[in-house]
Amino acid sequence: GNSVTQMEGPVTLSEEAFLTINCTYTATGYPSLFWYVQYPGEGLQLLLKATKADDKGSNKGFEATYRKETTSFHLEKGSVQVSDSAVYFCALSRASGNTPLVFGKGTRLSVIA
Amino acid sequence: DTGVSQDPRHKITKRGQNVTFRCDPISEHNRLYWYRQTLGQGPEFLTYFQNEAQLEKSRLLSDRFSAERPKGSFSTLEIQRTEQGDSAMYLCASSWPGLAGNEQYFGPGTRLTVT
Repeated sequence: GNSVTQMEGPVTLSEEAFLTINCTYTATGYPSLFWYVQYPGEGLQLLLKATKADDKGSNKGFEATYRKETTSFHLEKGSVQVSDSAVYFCALSRASGNTPLVFGKGTRLSVIA
Repeated sequence: DTGVSQDPRHKITKRGQNVTFRCDPISEHNRLYWYRQTLGQGPEFLTYFQNEAQLEKSRLLSDRFSAERPKGSFSTLEIQRTEQGDSAMYLCASSWPGLAGNEQYFGPGTRLTVT
């Protein structure tokens, strides 16, 4: 079946540090891949997405590239801010599209000034 | 457009009672999803609708759970004879097939505590 594996947290970084959160997936075909973010006390928000191999999703300084050969979709940011402190979820939807999302367990990021 | 809304935001109930949650999707979205999220875990799929038709149910959706979307707009999720293991955040999301890659927009969730 489809599944998503994320690096376990929590991750604690100093402001302006480089961030990588690893995400790998198992799926048949070509799923769409997503990163969602959950800020403290708020609902899930879509951060970025990629719908086909080698696509790069980007938003708010975050980037992730859909790597079919390594079945990965790692999240990166060059310089994190305190306001980036949140829980980040990697997710996929089945290749047929418009189907339920399969989420990873989430990675909590804390950025300290 | 005010986004996906859920009501109530919090519900505390005693074991054995029935509870019902409501979700109002983004108005032009015809797909509506229910997920459950427990502490320290990612959301897990429960069921979803296209318009009023329930297209898929997860094995997590025991026979104590029922969901409806009678007019293809808002949806309700009912849990009968609640158990302590039902304590979780219940999330609703909606999407429109025209959105590339199936972007789903989530509501704030309903936090259920079963005592």
